[in-house]
Amino acid sequence: GAGVSQTPSNKVTEKGKYVELRCDPISGHTALYWYRQSLGQGPEFLIYFQGTGAADDSGLPNDRFFAVRPEGSVSTLKIQRTERGDSAVYLCASSEANTQYFGPGTRLTVL
Amino acid sequence: KQEVTQIPAALSVPEGENLVLNCSFTDSAIYNLQWFRQDPGKGLTSLLLIQSSQREQTSGRLNASLDKSSGRSTLYIAASQPGDSATYLCAVVLDRGSTLGRLYFGRGTQLTVWP
Repeated sequence: GAGVSQTPSNKVTEKGKYVELRCDPISGHTALYWYRQSLGQGPEFLIYFQGTGAADDSGLPNDRFFAVRPEGSVSTLKIQRTERGDSAVYLCASSEANTQYFGPGTRLTVL
Repeated sequence: KQEVTQIPAALSVPEGENLVLNCSFTDSAIYNLQWFRQDPGKGLTSLLLIQSSQREQTSGRLNASLDKSSGRSTLYIAASQPGDSATYLCAVVLDRGSTLGRLYFGRGTQLTVWP
């Protein structure tokens, strides 16, 4: 595809459930980033992959959050035991050099 | 820790005005600075990227300047139009010896341009 895609676009879940969010980066981009954006805030960094490995996971808020990129392309962000405070828009971006290209995001709502 | 601040938080102007959006950052050791546009319910679109060695970048009616030593950037929008209405976000990448790295974002300036 031409850009970064994310699925699902919206996810509603109940407190305590497990969710997976998917990101398909631009073909050939080796770097992939996850950010979280709460209402009225700028995006906050979660994790950055270079190829298959996590180059920087310092933004993950706690051990309920985990992300993988097993083949160096598609990435999945996994959230266990979701809490209401996890409700936000989760953004994915990919990059080959300077500019990060963002997907439309997944809006997660935890009831 | 890098802190990015954007002023004003919101701006409402009539069509045709020239605008100034401000961004400041606490750690001047940046690799580059980007301005993004975000429309409601949408992802981010990169508008301008300024390398740390550059002073400004221009694209159409947009001009972004960078004063790295003072930790400031300004986005100028000339002859504003209703289609410019969006949230404008400023973000920096710290200089870690690589072009790749996390973005530190401000909270954004919500711009409304009315006809």
